[in-house]
Amino acid sequence: GENVEQHPSTLSVQEGDSAVIKCTYSDSASNYFPWYKQELGKRPQLIIDIRSNVGEKKDQRIAVTLNKTAKHFSLHITETQPEDSAVYFCAATVSYNAGNMLTFGGGTRLMVKP
Amino acid sequence: NAGVTQTPKFQVLKTGQSMTLQCAQDMNHEYMSWYRQDPGMGLRLIHYSVGAGITDQGEVPNGYNVSRSTTEDFPLRLLSAAPSQTSVYFCASSYSDRYYTGELFFGEGSRLTVL
Repeated sequence: GENVEQHPSTLSVQEGDSAVIKCTYSDSASNYFPWYKQELGKRPQLIIDIRSNVGEKKDQRIAVTLNKTAKHFSLHITETQPEDSAVYFCAATVSYNAGNMLTFGGGTRLMVKP
Repeated sequence: NAGVTQTPKFQVLKTGQSMTLQCAQDMNHEYMSWYRQDPGMGLRLIHYSVGAGITDQGEVPNGYNVSRSTTEDFPLRLLSAAPSQTSVYFCASSYSDRYYTGELFFGEGSRLTVL
């Protein structure tokens, strides 16, 4: 089945620096790649996503890049702020019997030091 | 809209007991799913449904049962609880179909401890 690997598992940056989280996937049929942010004790929430017909997408300080040939995609956060501290999950679609579902990476705990 | 509502938020069970986690959504989404979250392992798919009457197994289905009698509700049943089922459970729904995967909306989570 689909395997999504996420690195690093923890990331500590200084406020104002950039942060990059990388994911690789195994199923070449995957066509949707979302990123979720989960604050402590809260539910995961979508922050940005990209589909297979696009190479890059940006939303203010957040951007995602996709390399379908190499089967990897990355989350870039610029000008990090303390409120960016959270666990971030990447995901990719996988085909099951009844439909496409999401498989998640193991998560990255981002800590932004003021 | 309330979105995705899960109950209970916390539950402690003894080994061998059974229970049902309730999940309801009011967004008229066809796709619903249950994930469990364990430290360092991300979110793993337990069971999913693509519409009323249609359910299927995900990545880690053993020990769990589901049914989908209405579009709104998707309960998860633990048949005979084991300590390995201690986890945080998330229900999710999405506006998806066979050709399009939409955003997953998660419930608040249910923290289950099995002693």
